[in-house]
Amino acid sequence: AQSVTQPDIHITVSEGASLELRCNYSYGATPYLFWYVQSPGQGLQLLLKYFSGDTLVQGIKGFEAEFKRSQSSFNLRKPSVHWSDAAEYFCAVGPFTGGGNKLTFGTGTQLKVEL
Amino acid sequence: DAGVIQSPRHEVTEMGQEVTLRCKPISGHDYLFWYRQTMMRGLELLIYFNNNVPIDDSGMPEDRFSAKMPNASFSTLKIQPSEPRDSAVYFCASRKQGANTEAFFGQGTRLTVV
Repeated sequence: AQSVTQPDIHITVSEGASLELRCNYSYGATPYLFWYVQSPGQGLQLLLKYFSGDTLVQGIKGFEAEFKRSQSSFNLRKPSVHWSDAAEYFCAVGPFTGGGNKLTFGTGTQLKVEL
Repeated sequence: DAGVIQSPRHEVTEMGQEVTLRCKPISGHDYLFWYRQTMMRGLELLIYFNNNVPIDDSGMPEDRFSAKMPNASFSTLKIQPSEPRDSAVYFCASRKQGANTEAFFGQGTRLTVV
């Protein structure tokens, strides 16, 4: 069965500092990996996705993530955090075999940005 | 496109009442998903449809929950009777057929059962 672990429940960074949110997955085949962001009272917005190819993927809002198969990780990074990045971030893994998109989500990391 | 549209945004109901949540997926999307988000359990997939047909409802918690998709542009999630432990945010999402596509989420319905 697939699973996703986000070991950090809360992270606080200063505005302008770099950010790395950790994500580890367990999946028996090549995974499809996603990062979503959820602002308070809002739905989930896709930041970036990895399906294949280049293991460093670029997303919206200046985010990037690197797929490391050897470490079963897909960590999210941003070189300089803005106050508007404060939100909850979810890593997800999902197969596409047979259709469907049974995304399995991590428990989320709440990001707080200090001014 | 306006994105995935859910209604209502907020619902407060008394225990024992029937609750119906609604979703309009993005036009042209073939898959529709219902998720529930709670503090205790995070995001859980309840059920998903492909071309209006329910494919996997193994996440539906109890028989009190039912979902329908009568056509490609509309789906409902019904809880009857509702209980306080059903209080959560319910998200609908849709996706196109094929690889290299992602799910788009609605803004959710916050359900409170008192």
